Parts: sequence; C-alpha cells; structure tokens
Amino acid sequence: EAEVAQSPRYKITEKSQAVAFWCDPISGHATLYWYRQILGQGPELLVQFQDESVVDDSQLPKDRFSAERLKGVDSTLKIQPAELGDSAMYLCASSPGEGAGEADTQYFGPGTRLTVL
Amino acid sequence: AQSVAQPEDQVNVAEGNPLTVKCTYSVSGNPYLFWYVQYPNRGLQFLLKYITGDNLVKGSYGFEAEFNKSQTSFHLKKPSALVSDSGLYFCAGSGSARQLTFGSGTQLTVLP
Repeated sequence: EAEVAQSPRYKITEKSQAVAFWCDPISGHATLYWYRQILGQGPELLVQFQDESVVDDSQLPKDRFSAERLKGVDSTLKIQPAELGDSAMYLCASSPGEGAGEADTQYFGPGTRLTVL
Repeated sequence: AQSVAQPEDQVNVAEGNPLTVKCTYSVSGNPYLFWYVQYPNRGLQFLLKYITGDNLVKGSYGFEAEFNKSQTSFHLKKPSALVSDSGLYFCAGSGSARQLTFGSGTQLTVLP
C-alpha cells in the first residue's frame, strides 16, 4: 500500500537555527498539505499545494516559514530561525486532487517531531 | 467559520464492550466529515468518511459512524472494542472537502 514518506522522523535543534522537513506524497497525488500539530491538539493546516502552486498559505507564519513544491511532487517545509514555540509534530498529507473520485480523502505521513531547545 | 468539537478528552471502555467517540460539527453547506486515528509518534490513519448518501458509514477495522444532520453530530462507533483500538481519535470536517478542520482529539483506552 502506497504511503506518504517524511524525513527526518525526529529533529532536535536550538533556537535561531534553520530546520527543513521533507515530504514525498503518494505517487500521482496532486494535492499536498503541511500541518502542524501541537501536543494535545488536532492538526492545523499550514499550507496547501495543488501541483506546484500554493492554494492556501494563510496560516503559514511567512516571516520564518517557507514551503515549496518545485516539480509538483515532493515538498520541503523550512523554518528559519526556529523558535521555542515551534516545537510540534509536522505532518504532511496528500490527496489525489480534483477529478480523481477520492479527491476528498487526505492520507498522512508519519510526521516529523521537532524539538527546539 | 467552521468548527469541529470532540466533547470528551478521554474515553475508557472494557474490551468486548461497544464504544462511542463523540463529534459535533459546524460547517456551512453540506458537510464533509472524517474520522482518523493516531498512534503514538505516528501520523493520522484514515478510518472513514461521510460525503453524502447513507447516514451510517462503515469504515476500516469494524468502525462505523452515524451522520445526524439535525443534531450536527458524527459519532464514531464500534460494536465490540479491542485493546488494539486504543489510540487518539480525531474527527475532522469541512464544507469543501479540502480545508479540513480537526477536533481536539479523544484518547480512547480499551481495557483488557
């Protein structure tokens, strides 16, 4: 069964450092999402891509966060500089996209657990 | 603005007994509703979804959920709980099937 891949699984960094997370969606999935999940809470959407284009980044703190999906396949989420409050699980999800019949179901990767010291 | 509420932070049930995890929603238009489960240090695993049609939705691992429009609820159910069902359950909803809003999660513990 195809899965969403993410790396690294765990990342420990010091505040003010730069960190980057990578996501490889399920093959053929046009839509890719990055979520942040703070311990004890549900995931919150940071950014949504349709192919290589950003559909929604209204909740992305753009002063320090950036995301790209250059070829419309895998994606990178970057934080620079990291702050203590960025400690969280960062989840990537993908869905087939419009016209695929199951366009509405998002499939999640295992996440990257970020700890900022 | 859309919202999803899970009124119980914790649900405990004995193995073999039926389980219910509650969810209520507030979305504009026709709702798209989902249930996911998360195990420790893992991503969310899709269980089932309601888009349209029958109010009783059947999903993976024997789970089902009942859509109730008048009560704006989408409770997750299973007739006979297993210890392996223990996990953190999230309800999610949207009026557009893309912009999901998640509830705060319910920790389900099935006791042997």
